[in-house]
Amino acid sequence: QSALTQPASVSGSPGQSTTISCTGTSSDVGSYNLVSWYQQHPGEAPKLIIYEVTKRPSGVSNRFSGSKSGNTASLTISGLQAEDEAHYYCCSYAGRSTLVFGGGTKLTVL
Amino acid sequence: QVQLVQSGAEVKKPGASVKVSCKASGYTFTGYYIHWVRQAPGQGLEWMGWLNPNSGGTNYAQKFQGRVTMTRDTSISTAYMELSRLRSDDTALYYCARSRHGEEGAFDYWGQGTLVTVSS
Repeated sequence: QSALTQPASVSGSPGQSTTISCTGTSSDVGSYNLVSWYQQHPGEAPKLIIYEVTKRPSGVSNRFSGSKSGNTASLTISGLQAEDEAHYYCCSYAGRSTLVFGGGTKLTVL
Repeated sequence: QVQLVQSGAEVKKPGASVKVSCKASGYTFTGYYIHWVRQAPGQGLEWMGWLNPNSGGTNYAQKFQGRVTMTRDTSISTAYMELSRLRSDDTALYYCARSRHGEEGAFDYWGQGTLVTVSS
């Protein structure tokens, strides 16, 4: 099972929007609407911010949104804030009761 | 409130086994799958497998099959992950996480992580 492909890093200025991509295959991202996204600050456990491609858990800012096209899922963060600086990971159901994570993306708020 | 509290850090020698516990509270333990995810130092997240606390059923990532065993004790709402034949590259922070959607993921609560260090 190969990891999903994410850019190693992205950056943006406060108030801007940025998008993180997560590319898989027709066996995982492309076949299921079961992509989730996690935010991880240094020294902390990951936090669920998007599930089932587009859904936000209660309490997560609506500045976070998810989408999917073909084998690529995307996380968009609008109105960037300093507190958004973190690592972001995508995760997809991959069939046969298995899951696969992306390699992670470091977001820097300039 | 939902909490997953994991056991403390471990130091093991190569070839040994380690067993990490994850005690759940604040919800019905048997109602949600528990997944295990690890993170090597400075690296990304890696899915290891899941446990169905209700049935005891499990499924493991191919990479860990034959070395990992996930079990539970419903009387104390605790899940366990045992990894055997440890190697130096098993040094990592091991997390348990509750899944909103069974085997399909979406981990809404995480433990604090257990650092396992493998060193001779």
